[in-house]
Amino acid sequence: DVKVTQSSRYLVKRTGEKVFLECVQDMDHENMFWYRQDPGLGLRLIYFSYDVKMKEKGDIPEGYSVSREKKERFSLILESASTNQTSMYLCASSLLARSRVQYFGPGTRLTVL
Amino acid sequence: GQSLEQPSEVTAVEGAIVQINCTYQTSGFYGLSWYQQHDGGAPTFLSYNALDGLEETGRFSSFLSRSDSYGYLLLQELQMKDSASYFCAVRDRGGNTGKLIFGQGTTLQVKP
Repeated sequence: DVKVTQSSRYLVKRTGEKVFLECVQDMDHENMFWYRQDPGLGLRLIYFSYDVKMKEKGDIPEGYSVSREKKERFSLILESASTNQTSMYLCASSLLARSRVQYFGPGTRLTVL
Repeated sequence: GQSLEQPSEVTAVEGAIVQINCTYQTSGFYGLSWYQQHDGGAPTFLSYNALDGLEETGRFSSFLSRSDSYGYLLLQELQMKDSASYFCAVRDRGGNTGKLIFGQGTTLQVKP
């Protein structure tokens, strides 16, 4: 079974703090994704990566950056957290870009005060 | 712009059949997927349609009409455990940079 893990289930940070969200997958998947999920808006793609050190902006990249130094790990960085970044963050991975299935982690609920 | 539309809420009784519709407007189309998400859980893949027609997987079926930019998820013999949110998603491009665009989700409540 594919396992996607995220470093924290719940996180509380203060405005202006630098925040790191970590995601690890154990199935040698090429593609990894970061989404945020907000009520009524579904899942919105922040960034994705289709190879080590490769990244591409999703639909809402502003205020975020990412890092993928190793194939199994994809980090989402909030350089200076703001209250409008309070949300559920979901990481996902897929074997290839054209794979029909994405496997999701359990999510990190981030609250920025 | 790119958008997927699905109803926000659907209610049905145990044992019934429910259909969740999804219409899409995207710059490209490389398949329609459905995901299920229980409250507090991770989205999990349910089904995928690349071609027109019906795909059946147990109690769940998914349908696609590319000419109508429309699909639906059909859940039969509803069980209480089917209470969850259901998302449709479209892959907008092929190749390495294709990504999924998700609808806003439909919350299904199954009542006894």
